[in-house]
Amino acid sequence: EVQLVESGGGLVQPGKSLRLSCAASGFTFDDYAMHWVRQIPGKGLEWVSGISGNSGSIDYADSVKGRFTISRDNANNSLYLQMNNLRPEDTAFYYCAKDPGGEPRNWFDPWGQGTLVTVSS
Amino acid sequence: EIVLTQSPATLSLSPGERATLSCRASRSVRSYLAWYQQKPGQAPRLLIYDVSNRATGIPARFSGSGSGTDFTLTISSLEPEDFAVYYCQQRSIRLTFGGGTKVEIK
Repeated sequence: EVQLVESGGGLVQPGKSLRLSCAASGFTFDDYAMHWVRQIPGKGLEWVSGISGNSGSIDYADSVKGRFTISRDNANNSLYLQMNNLRPEDTAFYYCAKDPGGEPRNWFDPWGQGTLVTVSS
Repeated sequence: EIVLTQSPATLSLSPGERATLSCRASRSVRSYLAWYQQKPGQAPRLLIYDVSNRATGIPARFSGSGSGTDFTLTISSLEPEDFAVYYCQQRSIRLTFGGGTKVEIK
């Protein structure tokens, strides 16, 4: 069974940094692209970033480009999101999600349970 | 950026009724459209990919149709567990979601 478990969320001040992690199991991790998707509580979904299986292809939403960095460690079946210069509007649940292909351009299945990031002074 | 507009925002129906949800794209997304279901306190779950392909384990009462800019998710007969929020998502140009349709009990 595919499992994705996020961690690293919490309360952080504006302008500070936070690193999210996603531990993956139940599939051959480096065969698949992975994504981060976020959701402001009570609101809709926003794709944040995606990374190919071999890390050769990476993309970001315009809202986070230059501030967030996605990476992965295939040896440890882990996905990361380094978030710098955080803003109050980055407050959201952050989900990691698996892509059905090797490139980050498809759909999301399955999703982790999410981790909440709150940016506030 | 391709904008997806879902309608209605809220659909009030009774168990056993048919639900028809709409997703309209600002430009053609070809057949690259997926649907998700999200229940309170849970992560979204993939229902349909590439317009009409049901994901693993999704009941046959869920079906998708459409092409280009207009798409529909149909739930043929609502079960109690189907009351949730539904999102569409396109993958034609980058990845974007619609704003969601809430299916609530009437």
